[in-house]
Amino acid sequence: KAGVTQTPRYLIKTRGQQVTLSCSPISGHRSVSWYQQTPGQGLQFLFEYFSETQRNKGNFPGRFSGRQFSNSRSEMNVSTLELGDSALYLCASSLARASGANVLTFGAGSRLTVL
Amino acid sequence: AQSVTQPDIHITVSEGASLELRCNYSYGATPYLFWYVQSPGQGLQLLLKYFSGDTLVQGIKGFEAEFKRSQSSFNLRKPSVHWSDAAEYFCAVGAESYNQGGKLIFGQGTELSVKP
Repeated sequence: KAGVTQTPRYLIKTRGQQVTLSCSPISGHRSVSWYQQTPGQGLQFLFEYFSETQRNKGNFPGRFSGRQFSNSRSEMNVSTLELGDSALYLCASSLARASGANVLTFGAGSRLTVL
Repeated sequence: AQSVTQPDIHITVSEGASLELRCNYSYGATPYLFWYVQSPGQGLQLLLKYFSGDTLVQGIKGFEAEFKRSQSSFNLRKPSVHWSDAAEYFCAVGAESYNQGGKLIFGQGTELSVKP
């Protein structure tokens, strides 16, 4: 079956702009999580969506937001971009077990460069 | 707070040699542990996981890991490394609190280089 699909794969923006990234989960997976990966901070959890609701959130400013649609597809948005937002943004889907015994399948990521 | 430590930032091994990547975690109860691999420009691929039971778990690509509660460790091993194993490896632990199934806490990663 198809894996997790993220679009776009690469994008370049300038400071102050906003960006929207998309994630299509594996069929049947109801949870979508987003992570930011940078050389300095590593992999950091942004938020998780389940049944169109944000189930939990990491320690990021309000400029980072997301949503999930009824077909489980998810988008994340970053407003007022800063240079430090340059990163690989990874989406992961799962069967949405509430405990940590939950296997995440990751997409290839969206590489955002902010100039 | 939960944390994961991978002490080795970069390791170089010769092709055909054995490999061990270290991972230590901080967790209150029985942890849910994972190893992922990331090739350049790619996402993360799950190598193996430990939830409970046998403390030696087998994964894909010939990798295995051993959970040692007394040492709070979950080290990844491979008996004979192939050049295609060059990548970055991440150890992770599932969030301890209920209803955080989508949250993993990752280590900083270990970059593996393989010498011919």
